[in-house]
Amino acid sequence: DQQVKQNSPSLSVQEGRISILNCDYTNSMFDYFLWYKKYPAEGPTFLISISSIKDKNEDGRFTVFLNKSAKHLSLHIVPSQPGDSAVYFCAAQTYSGGGADGLTFGKGTHLIIQP
Amino acid sequence: DTAVSQTPKYLVTQMGNDKSIKCEQNLGHDTMYWYKQDSKKFLKIMFSYNNKELIINETVPNRFSPKSPDKAHLNLHINSLELGDSAVYFCASSFGLAHSTDTQYFGPGTRLTVL
Repeated sequence: DQQVKQNSPSLSVQEGRISILNCDYTNSMFDYFLWYKKYPAEGPTFLISISSIKDKNEDGRFTVFLNKSAKHLSLHIVPSQPGDSAVYFCAAQTYSGGGADGLTFGKGTHLIIQP
Repeated sequence: DTAVSQTPKYLVTQMGNDKSIKCEQNLGHDTMYWYKQDSKKFLKIMFSYNNKELIINETVPNRFSPKSPDKAHLNLHINSLELGDSAVYFCASSFGLAHSTDTQYFGPGTRLTVL
């Protein structure tokens, strides 16, 4: 029962171009979304987040877009740099619900930036 | 000056053994978590622990038990290890309550292999 889906296991983008990573979710109770970046042999590190009351959040080269009606979010990286090569995890959380359910992660997308 | 640390990084053991993984955070956070990343690469929440309140994911077998000697530590004990327990286990921590939107910081992971 995948509540957070990242349907592209990998994505290859040329350096300097835009990288677009996609994520879909099924649980309409999710109201807070995050992207984490993971290098090999390291833990995930927080990248950017967005609350369901917004449709866009920007932080430097990273922008996350949220389409609630489509239950879809995307991460845009522009321009892409070699250091962006990593696995990107989409995660979701229920902020207003009672009890702690932690983060629900997607399976990740391996982004490869080609020189 | 590692924020969230785990030991050991690698753990290889036989079926039926009992083992522990240690986690420490020096961020002054109130909540700690354990996640499991299985062979299919899904990261799934196992436990969250805040101020002596333990929230357990109902799918986690009771062979797994978290133990928190103090706020900075949350160790994971696993009894009667099974082959299916082989995975990478990540510890994480956050400042606020588990269902808040405070960023979770992850440790580097412990790769457990059960033979």
